[in-house]
Formats: sequence, C-alpha cells, structure tokens
Amino acid sequence: DAMVIQNPRYQVTQFGKPVTLSCSQTLNHNVMYWYQQKSSQAPKLLFHYYDKDFNNEADTPDNFQSRRPNTSFCFLDIRSPGLGDAAMYLCATSRDLEYNEQFFGPGTRLTVL
Amino acid sequence: QQQVKQSPQSLIVQKGGISIINCAYENTAFDYFPWYQQFPGKGPALLIAIRPDVSEKKEGRFTISFNKSAKQFSLHIMDSQPGDSATYFCAASMPPYYSGGGADGLTFGKGTHLIIQP
Repeated sequence: DAMVIQNPRYQVTQFGKPVTLSCSQTLNHNVMYWYQQKSSQAPKLLFHYYDKDFNNEADTPDNFQSRRPNTSFCFLDIRSPGLGDAAMYLCATSRDLEYNEQFFGPGTRLTVL
Repeated sequence: QQQVKQSPQSLIVQKGGISIINCAYENTAFDYFPWYQQFPGKGPALLIAIRPDVSEKKEGRFTISFNKSAKQFSLHIMDSQPGDSATYFCAASMPPYYSGGGADGLTFGKGTHLIIQP
C-alpha cells in the first residue's frame, strides 16, 4: 500500500543534542510537509517542500531545518532541541500544490530530557 | 484572518446519535476544507473534504455542510459508533497562487474530542 512512513516512532534526545527525524513516502507526491503537534493541540505547519523548493513558515524557529534529498525522503533536523520542542512531529504529503489533499504519517513522538 | 475556529472542544454523544462539529473561518481566500480524524498516538487521517462550489458532501455516515455566505462548515456523523471516538480537526487551505506561489499547508482548528458512549 502507498503510504507515508516516519522513523523512528519515538525519539528521546537530550537538551541541546541535535536530532534528525525521517519521513519517506511511496505516493510519489510532489509536496512534503512537516507539522509540529503539541499535546492536545492542533498540528502547526513548520515548512514544506514543493519538489526541491523549500518554503519556511514565517514563525518557524531557526532551530528547525529540513532536507529533501529526493522525491521519496524528507528529514527534519532540530539543531539544539529545547524542552519546548517536545512534541509529535507529523510528516504529510500531497500530490501538488493545487490539489491539497494531504496524507499524514503516523508521527514521531519526540521527548527532550 | 488565518484562523479556523472549531467548536465544541469536547462532545459526548450516545451510540446511534448524530455528532455535529462546527467550524468557522474569516479568510474568504480559503478554498479547500477537509476534516481529519485522529486517534491517540496516530497521525491525522483524512475523512472527507469539500470545496466552496458545493453546499454539502456525503460519504457514508459522514456529511460536510458548507455555508459560504456565513463562512461556516460542519461535520455530521450519523449513527455514531464507539469506534468513532477520536479527536476531529477541521482545516482550511488557500490556493497556491493566492499565497504567492506556495501553499501554506493546512490551517487547523483546535480540535474536538468526541466520545461516543455505548
């Protein structure tokens, strides 16, 4: 089945220690998104890639970076995690920008100690 | 203007009843309105979506009603079942040309925690 896969499902890191979260998709979609979802809150868009074009939300901290080496994979790098960065990180894809039906992965739960 | 306001925050419905969740928006540039269902520890799953050119869309037990003039849309779950117990998010997005060539993704409401009592 075509799907969005996130690894790991659970990640524990220490305060200030860089961490990378991974997303892959078999849908061959052009757009990949990263959302942050804190407990009992709505997902909040961090940034997205349309093909190789990176689009950062204005209020996304510089601490968050992303890479998309190819169509299938996208990475979220948190350079110096703080306690406030503990959250569920959701990857989503859509076929293109005009057709915004987004498919979400299961998420990675990040804990910062 | 980017906000989507969702109510109620939580909802308890008896099995077999109708669950109704409402959302309102301000920005008339929004042109796509999906509803997502999320179970604890899982990612959101697309339930049903609507565009402003129709006033209602039905898929199985799920119906979206859309009122363009009032800038409101709602999700109706008919014959609600315990397995429907989850958090439901409404969302909205704009066309890419409106935001200067790049879609800003989905703007989500704050969610409704739905409990269906057996």
